[in-house]
Amino acid sequence: QQPVQSPQAVILREGEDAVINCSSSKALYSVHWYRQKHGEAPVFLMILLKGGEQKGHDKISASFNEKKQQSSLYLTASQLSYSGTYFCGTPRGDYKLSFGAGTTVTVRA
Amino acid sequence: GAGVSQTPSNKVTEKGKYVELRCDPISGHTALYWYRQSLGQGPEFLIYFQGTGAADDSGLPNDRFFAVRPEGSVSTLKIQRTERGDSAVYLCASSSRVSGSMNEQFFGPGTRLTVL
Repeated sequence: QQPVQSPQAVILREGEDAVINCSSSKALYSVHWYRQKHGEAPVFLMILLKGGEQKGHDKISASFNEKKQQSSLYLTASQLSYSGTYFCGTPRGDYKLSFGAGTTVTVRA
Repeated sequence: GAGVSQTPSNKVTEKGKYVELRCDPISGHTALYWYRQSLGQGPEFLIYFQGTGAADDSGLPNDRFFAVRPEGSVSTLKIQRTERGDSAVYLCASSSRVSGSMNEQFFGPGTRLTVL
C-alpha cells in the first residue's frame, strides 16, 4: 500500500513556511523524502530511520513518528528553488519503496 | 561523477510495437530498480536487480514486460506488443547497497514512452 500525502498542493510566497505530511497504514522503520522538478529525475533529500528522529537539508527538515506511522516535511523560509513535487517513500521489505502521490509546492516571488 | 543515465530520453511508438529502454547505473552500484511514473503520480516499483539477477519482479504489470541485466551493470527494460496504457515515464534508479529501503536511491532522468 502506498503512503498517503497531504496536502496535494500548496502555494507559498518566498519566506513562508509549509508542512507536508506522509502517513502509512503499515508499521514503518524508515521514510524517504525526494523532490522532483518538472521533467527531471527525483532527487534524494533525506532518510529518517528512527522514531522521533529529525533531520535537516538546508532549511528543509523532517520528523518521523514511528508510533503514529507518519512523517512530516517542514519547508522553512521557503525559497523559489523549493518549488517542485515532494514524494515520501516507505519501505516494502528490505529494498523496495512505495511512493506517495506527491505534494506539489509552488513558491512565488 | 556520472549519475544514472537512461536512453532514449523520449520514445514514441505505435501500438503493438516492441521497445527497449536502457539504463546505465552509477558505476559500482549493485542494486538497480525500474519504476514507472504516470502523470500526477509517484514512481511505481516494477523490478529490482541485485547484481545480474532479478531479485524481485513483482511489480511488472504483465508478461509483456521483461528486464535484463546480463553483466550486473547496464539494464534493459523490454516491452512487447505495446499498448496505449503503457505510456508513462520509466525511471531507473541505483543504490550502492543491498538494502535500498535504508539507503539513498539515485534516479536517472527517465524515458518518456508514448504509445500512439
